[in-house]
Amino acid sequence: QKEVEQDPGPLSVPEGAIVSLNCTYSNSAFQYFMWYRQYSRKGPELLMYTYSSGNKEDGRFTAQVDKSSKYISLFIRDSQPSDSATYLCARLDRGSQGNLIFGKGTKLSVKP
Amino acid sequence: DGGITQSPKYLFRKEGQNVTLSCEQNLNHDAMYWYRQDPGQGLRLIYYSQIVNDFQKGDIAEGYSVSREKKESFPLTVTSAQKNPTAFYLCASTPGSSGNTIYFGEGSWLTVV
Repeated sequence: QKEVEQDPGPLSVPEGAIVSLNCTYSNSAFQYFMWYRQYSRKGPELLMYTYSSGNKEDGRFTAQVDKSSKYISLFIRDSQPSDSATYLCARLDRGSQGNLIFGKGTKLSVKP
Repeated sequence: DGGITQSPKYLFRKEGQNVTLSCEQNLNHDAMYWYRQDPGQGLRLIYYSQIVNDFQKGDIAEGYSVSREKKESFPLTVTSAQKNPTAFYLCASTPGSSGNTIYFGEGSWLTVV
């Protein structure tokens, strides 16, 4: 039930790079996935929300769900120093009436 | 502006004391949640409430208590029974329970001294 795995990093990239952040999950019944961005000492903010499989794009951000491999990804194009944060993936635990199950987060640093 | 307000932002507590963290939302959301965040542990659910006057234990409820007397308010009490209370506490809310996303407050830092 708790199976959302995420590499904690840290991940360091130069400004302008394409960033790929990934999570894996184990229960194929999950359909709702979210990506949150959390700056240091702040609450998480919702970045992307995806349902089922496929891609969803919002500006420089693309969320991708591959249900066959149980893989969810967040791509950041033209990364900026302001993207430096911890990125949390989550899936909706419908058994707990709307509770989210989070990965441990990947810390990203974009160097100017 | 609509949002979730947590207070205080920083709090120090002596061992053996209870402390209450406030969470207020003006989003008219039905469901509210309390999470705890420790370094390297991600977010863990403490308690959640779907409606007024009802709440459920999460994964790590021991040593905590909550109340939901009003729709907009969901205070969390960290009791002296919580053995390792130093952490970052996050309150969240969502409109409902069927596929809606969860929105977070800015968090409260609790340090036991």
